[in-house]
Amino acid sequence: QKEVEQDPGPLSVPEGAIVSLNCTYSNSAFQYFMWYRQYSRKGPELLMYTYSSGNKEDGRFTAQVDKSSKYISLFIRDSQPSDSATYLCAANQAGTALIFGKGTTLSVSS
Amino acid sequence: EAGVVQSPRYKIIEKKQPVAFWCNPISGHNTLYWYRQNLGQGPELLIRYENEEAVDDSQLPKDRFSAERLKGVDSTLKIQPAELGDSAVYLCASSLDDYPRGQETQYFGPGTRLLVL
Repeated sequence: QKEVEQDPGPLSVPEGAIVSLNCTYSNSAFQYFMWYRQYSRKGPELLMYTYSSGNKEDGRFTAQVDKSSKYISLFIRDSQPSDSATYLCAANQAGTALIFGKGTTLSVSS
Repeated sequence: EAGVVQSPRYKIIEKKQPVAFWCNPISGHNTLYWYRQNLGQGPELLIRYENEEAVDDSQLPKDRFSAERLKGVDSTLKIQPAELGDSAVYLCASSLDDYPRGQETQYFGPGTRLLVL
């Protein structure tokens, strides 16, 4: 079992939909949780990061971490075609390597 | 500010040939990472440098892979000899450590796409 599990999708939604992306993890020592967005043939770019449990909101994006259930979520409101990309969740302890999920491919149609 | 620079962007070689990738991190970033990303997978760490020192190379296949980071800036990752299974995207990332240690944001380069025939 990988330390971070993520359903690869693909996920297709119409423009304006609310998107929910999810990951689970197994290492209870993880403290930092991140979402990266990766466009085709580009490197990952950091979208959101959360320390420990809780919510974090940035514009149309909300990241949630529930450490009791080891669940990581990213919500995208009012999705746009430009949100079409692969979304990677990642987790780690401070000073250690990021452990990535497989990534979920999202397609938003106009 | 320039981001992480990698070259070449694409490389096609025959198996058993050597290949090298180069990375220039963001100016001032003292930590540098090499990741490998297989098709349909997330990146997996190969090696992490803090300045010139390799502090985590546990996932680097040392029989064929080598890396160096001269003067704590640029880095080169080499594969010799390459195998078919090495076909992947090789990503370089950098971050700026702060003290006391917090969470460093890793900034990724565009990657080198390697195809071994």
